[in-house]
Amino acid sequence: NAGVTQTPKFQVLKTGQSMTLQCAQDMNHNSMYWYRQDPGMGLRLIYYSASEGTTDKGEVPNGYNVSRLNKREFSLRLESAAPSQTSVYFCASRGQAAGELFFGEGSRLTVL
Amino acid sequence: AQRVTQPEKLLSVFKGAPVELKCNYSYSGSPELFWYVQYSRQRLQLLLRHISRESIKGFTADLNKGETSFHLKKPFAQEEDSAMYYCALSRDSSNTGKLIFGQGTTLQVKP
Repeated sequence: NAGVTQTPKFQVLKTGQSMTLQCAQDMNHNSMYWYRQDPGMGLRLIYYSASEGTTDKGEVPNGYNVSRLNKREFSLRLESAAPSQTSVYFCASRGQAAGELFFGEGSRLTVL
Repeated sequence: AQRVTQPEKLLSVFKGAPVELKCNYSYSGSPELFWYVQYSRQRLQLLLRHISRESIKGFTADLNKGETSFHLKKPFAQEEDSAMYYCALSRDSSNTGKLIFGQGTTLQVKP
């Protein structure tokens, strides 16, 4: 039981390049989330998906797109990366108990 | 606007000393509050939730609606408590599970 799995763990991009962060969970959870973690800013919600086939914007959605491919998978795409998107990205899924999110290990992205 | 504030970026204490990690929130509704912890090289994980009124690893947190605070406390810190701690608020009238996190506090417990 792997929980929430994110790939890649590390990535370096040049400004303007595109990439997709992949996330999969094997806990049969309906809701999934993408957060970014920046020093002094905590975790900020980028996008979330309450259920398969639905997505919605969080606090900081600009520059990102998401796809909820099926119940297991929720990907985050940067179409044209910018240095301001240098961050650690976390995918999470929601368990049964109130407030319980299960997080992936994180993906460290650097945009030069 | 809903907000969670953790005023300390870093809290450094000696082993055996009491610990209090501060968390203040602003929310017009009835809040649900949580503490998450991230140990070195581990995933972010739920530590405790106010609604459970539980003690986990010796930590407790009491919701004070008058002061809009949810401080995390432990009477005697251990070295293994060293980690990043996040306070989080659920504003979940629509049951989406979204959490608003504070800025985080790094707890450093010195031997």
